[in-house]
Amino acid sequence: KAGVTQTPRYLIKTRGQQVTLSCSPISGHRSVSWYQQTPGQGLQFLFEYFSETQRNKGNFPGRFSGRQFSNSRSEMNVSTLELGDSALYLCASSQTSGLTTGELFFGEGSRLTVL
Amino acid sequence: DQQVKQNSPSLSVQEGRISILNCDYTNSMFDYFLWYKKYPAEGPTFLISISSIKDKNEDGRFTVFLNKSAKHLSLHIVPSQPGDSAVYFCAASVSDSWGKLQFGAGTQVVVTP
Repeated sequence: KAGVTQTPRYLIKTRGQQVTLSCSPISGHRSVSWYQQTPGQGLQFLFEYFSETQRNKGNFPGRFSGRQFSNSRSEMNVSTLELGDSALYLCASSQTSGLTTGELFFGEGSRLTVL
Repeated sequence: DQQVKQNSPSLSVQEGRISILNCDYTNSMFDYFLWYKKYPAEGPTFLISISSIKDKNEDGRFTVFLNKSAKHLSLHIVPSQPGDSAVYFCAASVSDSWGKLQFGAGTQVVVTP
């Protein structure tokens, strides 16, 4: 069974640009969550999608947005990039949302560097 | 506001001995707790979890203990092996928000021969 796939794995952008990251969940998983990992703040929740609907949102500015498609694949977008957006962005999927145990399966992440 | 805290940034333990990792939380609404392990350049991998209705859960070498009154949980690894060297994250969630985990800062475990 293929795991969570994130693309691209590494990317470099400059301030002011925008970026789109992609996540393909494990087959059959309908819930996708996004996390940001930085040395200073640790792992922080960005948002969660289930059946194309945003279920939860973390405390990030509106420059951070996401969406989920009918095949459960998800994308997140960061507009007007700032230096502080440099981080590892992790996507996680789970089989259902709210009814069973909360085990999330994480991808390897997309490493974003903003110059 | 850090709702999940791991106060020990690092832990060194000898191979074969017990590793004990601690985690404290402040939000009494949390009812599900998980431990994840992370190697460099990889995503976190799930280790073990515990529901707030239990006080202990065991899976092989890993045991998680939950003390709700103290808002404290711990992970015991017995015996520790060199492959256990990684960063361990404690995480907590509220029912019906499984995808929204609050993570601790992590504890770097080094298992020495």
